[in-house]
Amino acid sequence: EVQLVESGGGLVQPGRSLRLSCTVSGFTFGDYAMSWVRQAPGKGLEWLGYIRSQAYGGTTEYAASVKGRFTISRDDSKSIAYLQMNSLKTEDTAVYYCTRSTRYNIGWYSTYGFDYWGQGTLVTVSS
Amino acid sequence: DIQLTQSPSSLSASVGDRVTITCRASQSIRNSLNWYQQKPGKAPNLLIYVASTLQSGVPSRFSGSGSGTDFTLTISSLQPEDFATYYCQQSYSTPGWTFGQGTKVEIK
Repeated sequence: EVQLVESGGGLVQPGRSLRLSCTVSGFTFGDYAMSWVRQAPGKGLEWLGYIRSQAYGGTTEYAASVKGRFTISRDDSKSIAYLQMNSLKTEDTAVYYCTRSTRYNIGWYSTYGFDYWGQGTLVTVSS
Repeated sequence: DIQLTQSPSSLSASVGDRVTITCRASQSIRNSLNWYQQKPGKAPNLLIYVASTLQSGVPSRFSGSGSGTDFTLTISSLQPEDFATYYCQQSYSTPGWTFGQGTKVEIK
């Protein structure tokens, strides 16, 4: 059974840092890209960024809204993905989800979908 | 970033109704469009990927169509468990994957 479990959320003051972890089981973690998505209270979904599998360089991409403040990394030996969040703002308050990002190859190009999600972890940024 | 606009933002329907939700992209995304269902307090669930491919385990009453800029999610016969919020999402442009604003399907 595929499982993704986020941890590390909680209450943090503005300007501080927080690191979220996503521990996975049930599939070969190193074969997949991993993404982070958040949802502010009562709002829609916002993609934050992803990290490719090592087969595709293990590189990262970020949404413009968090680029330079958030960093995604992975430890394939432990099957864990991380989201390091720095200089947190009140508007970063949200439920944060990690997702398995499956690559679909379509002829000459490829695309991704989020086929498994964790249960989410709440991050509250407040003084 | 590529913008996705869903319509309607909400709708009321009865069990057994045929429901259609549309998603329009601000530029062509070929068929790099996925659909998700989210119930209150739960993580989203992938329904359709690459515009029209049904994710394993998803009931066949869900279907997707479209390419380029215009896409549709159809529920052929709405069931009680289908009342939820639905999101489209594109992963054509990297970086800059985006979601639509969501469509809430409520009981009439």
